[in-house]
Amino acid sequence: AQSVTQPDIHITVSEGASLELRCNYSYGATPYLFWYVQSPGQGLQLLLKYFSGDTLVQGIKGFEAEFKRSQSSFNLRKPSVHWSDAAEYFCAVRNAGGTSYGKLTFGQGTILTVHP
Amino acid sequence: DGGITQSPKYLFRKEGQNVTLSCEQNLNHDAMYWYRQDPGQGLRLIYYSQIVNDFQKGDIAEGYSVSREKKESFPLTVTSAQKNPTAFYLCASRHGTGFTNEKLFFGSGTQLSVL
Repeated sequence: AQSVTQPDIHITVSEGASLELRCNYSYGATPYLFWYVQSPGQGLQLLLKYFSGDTLVQGIKGFEAEFKRSQSSFNLRKPSVHWSDAAEYFCAVRNAGGTSYGKLTFGQGTILTVHP
Repeated sequence: DGGITQSPKYLFRKEGQNVTLSCEQNLNHDAMYWYRQDPGQGLRLIYYSQIVNDFQKGDIAEGYSVSREKKESFPLTVTSAQKNPTAFYLCASRHGTGFTNEKLFFGSGTQLSVL
């Protein structure tokens, strides 16, 4: 079974600093990979996704992520963080099969705090 | 505006009681999902439905039940058999298939607590 690990439970950065959130997955074949963001007490919003092709994917709100098969990683990055980016971020994976649409395995989440 | 509406926002359950969480969507999406969120554990899939009148168990279905009688509605019942129901419950939906549609739309959640 696939699994996702987000090693950092909580990260604090200053506004304007760069950001990298780590995500490692365990899956035999090429997985579908996602990053979602959740504001407190709210649902999740998709930031970006990857299945194949260019290993650097661009998402909304200025985020990007890079798929590295050799490291089983899909880290999320942003060059300059804004105070509004403070939220919890989830990495997720699903099987490539057609019956697995929407059946995501989520990581534990990383809470991002942004200092002014 | 199109979206997913979950109600109530907060719900309290007494010992031995069944409670039902509502999820309604006006996005005309075929597939709907229920996830449970516990602090520090991410989200886990409870049940999902790819089409009306059909649903499947997810990873943690024990103690829960669902129905899908209408495309717009996917209510979740937390039964008395669920011994640890305190959690944040999220409903989601998805339209169609293919990588372009690989996106879950989430409601704002229901926080369930045990009295």
